[in-house]
Amino acid sequence: SYVLTQPPSVSVAPGKTARITCGGNNIGSKGVHWYQQKPGQAPVVVIYDDSDRPSGIPERFSGSNSGNTATLTISRVEAGDEADYSCQVWDRSSDLPAFGGGTKLTVL
Amino acid sequence: QITLKESGPTLVKPTQTLTLTCTFSGFSVNTGGEGVGWIRQPPGKALEWLALIYWNDDRRYSPSLRSRLAITKDTSKNQVVLTMTNMDPVDTATYFCVHKLDRVDWFDPWGQGTLVTVSS
Repeated sequence: SYVLTQPPSVSVAPGKTARITCGGNNIGSKGVHWYQQKPGQAPVVVIYDDSDRPSGIPERFSGSNSGNTATLTISRVEAGDEADYSCQVWDRSSDLPAFGGGTKLTVL
Repeated sequence: QITLKESGPTLVKPTQTLTLTCTFSGFSVNTGGEGVGWIRQPPGKALEWLALIYWNDDRRYSPSLRSRLAITKDTSKNQVVLTMTNMDPVDTATYFCVHKLDRVDWFDPWGQGTLVTVSS
């Protein structure tokens, strides 16, 4: 199965930029999707297909994907951005989805 | 607007079979391209994909749990049912029902989730 690796935690001060990575073998060849999950809530897509934003997601959220690393970038971080963020891809070799381990974003 | 809601027992005993129902609105799983899946999350742990069923009855299962899972759909009731046999305490998790289109690779939206505890 395809393995996605995320840092367990990332901390950032309000107003600064947070970058959350998702590593995988040649992940740049796959579409990466990012979910935000606040405590007690269901995950919500914040980025799909590497860098597209669903309607209603602030422009502060952006994504990139190249080589072996995909990155979710949150600019001008707010307290309300504090959440767990998980990456996901569809592994074409198995035709099944794979999730990263999740990263807890803490706003200092 | 698509909504999904999970229902089922909150507590099951080890070795029992878990049956979860996802009741949805805003789409029909009879319509080309539509799909419904299940994803779980043990307390404090990562998301784990379990199963998926598409409009054409194409079914996918997690390889590690395939022998214990079954997913079915009832188009007349707008429901998808997941059964998991031989439950163990390690299966304690929040189980989410999710919507997926076959032409995209992500899950959206998700149900609110239901916590299932496995304990004697």
